Amino acid sequence: EVQLVESGGGLVQPGGSLRLSCAASRFTFSSYWMSWVRQAPGKGLEWVANIKQDGSEKYYVDSVKGRFTISRDNAKNSLYLQMNSLRAEDTAVYYCGRIRDGYNLDAFDIWGQGTKVTVSS
Amino acid sequence: QSVLTQPPSVSGAPGQRVTISCTGSSSNIGAGYDVHWYQQLPGTAPKLLIYGNSNRPSGVPDRFSGSKSGTSASLAITGLQAEDEADYYCQSYDSSLSGLFGGGTKLTVL
Repeated sequence: EVQLVESGGGLVQPGGSLRLSCAASRFTFSSYWMSWVRQAPGKGLEWVANIKQDGSEKYYVDSVKGRFTISRDNAKNSLYLQMNSLRAEDTAVYYCGRIRDGYNLDAFDIWGQGTKVTVSS
Repeated sequence: QSVLTQPPSVSGAPGQRVTISCTGSSSNIGAGYDVHWYQQLPGTAPKLLIYGNSNRPSGVPDRFSGSKSGTSASLAITGLQAEDEADYYCQSYDSSLSGLFGGGTKLTVL
């Protein structure tokens, strides 16, 4: 079964850093754009970032530009999100998602189970 | 406030038909970007329901259908069932290639 499994979430103080990971299995990871999407408690979904198959193109929501970095390691079938200068408003469940069909403007067809990030003192 | 506007809630009785709208602008849906729809059951990750405005992934019942016109899109659910009670989100992109989600619509099956 095609699968994405996130890890790395936890409790961090404001201004701190955290690195999320997403392990992909049973599909050719290097053939797909990948993404991070987050959901604050009781709120809707918010797109965070996308990354191209070879890592050469990256896009971010304005609220995380300069603080978050999306990256990938195709040899390890893994996606990452380095989060620095964390704020209370970054508190959310973070999902990694596969963008279908190798096209960056397509739908998220596979989602992980999510990892919870809490930014609080 | 989301760039894509959805009604906060809709409801319907079992067997009925409901629609959920998603209104954007000339910078996103109206610019030709496809609209996708997701279903999120309580406590679970979202699931792709409709992609490319009107296409259903394998395994999604044909009770779910999508359409797009101008700067808006719609999700229709016919033959409502209790298990359809969930949050529904539309999604598209804008000219800066940033992803956009609607604010979500809570469907209640009466």
